[in-house]
Amino acid sequence: GAGVSQSPSNKVTEKGKDVELRCDPISGHTALYWYRQSLGQGLEFLIYFQGNSAPDKSGLPSDRFSAERTGGSVSTLTIQRTQQEDSAVYLCASSSAGVYGYTFGSGTRLTVV
Amino acid sequence: AQSVAQPEDQVNVAEGNPLTVKCTYSVSGNPYLFWYVQYPNRGLQFLLKYITGDNLVKGSYGFEAEFNKSQTSFHLKKPSALVSDSALYFCAVRDPSVYGQNFVFGPGTRLSVLP
Repeated sequence: GAGVSQSPSNKVTEKGKDVELRCDPISGHTALYWYRQSLGQGLEFLIYFQGNSAPDKSGLPSDRFSAERTGGSVSTLTIQRTQQEDSAVYLCASSSAGVYGYTFGSGTRLTVV
Repeated sequence: AQSVAQPEDQVNVAEGNPLTVKCTYSVSGNPYLFWYVQYPNRGLQFLLKYITGDNLVKGSYGFEAEFNKSQTSFHLKKPSALVSDSALYFCAVRDPSVYGQNFVFGPGTRLSVLP
């Protein structure tokens, strides 16, 4: 597609439930990133996929968080047993190798009640 | 390790006046530097980048930024602010000498342009 697509745009879930957030990057982009932005805060790095290399998971805040990228394209961020502190906007971005900037999706606003 | 600082949480400027949003960085090698803007309830949008060459970089919406290696700064500027420039601005840095290194973002600066 023309841009990075994220779904759903909004998700309200009950505490303790699992959620899956989807990111569809720009076609041909080899790198994919997940960030989290809490209300009024900066961007917190979560995970980075580059081609077929092992992902950089150093930013995942706990073992309740996991992500996968299938076929080098679509990525899913899964949060298990959600907590209220997980409420945030989850942003996905992609870039192509050798290109120096990201293109961001519009994000998924997650609210845990 | 690379890092980015945006020393001001909030910048207020009157419409028509020049604006500056400050950014300083720390990397071990030569940096790639970026500015992104986030309008209310929107995703981040790319404004401009410095990779190499001319230290003064021009970007979208009349913004520009100057790379200053000695001061390790990359301040964002605009000669005449518009109310519509009010948004959250993020500076980001990447160290290209580190393979696979992701970008590091600053904490963001909220710009308010007053009519």
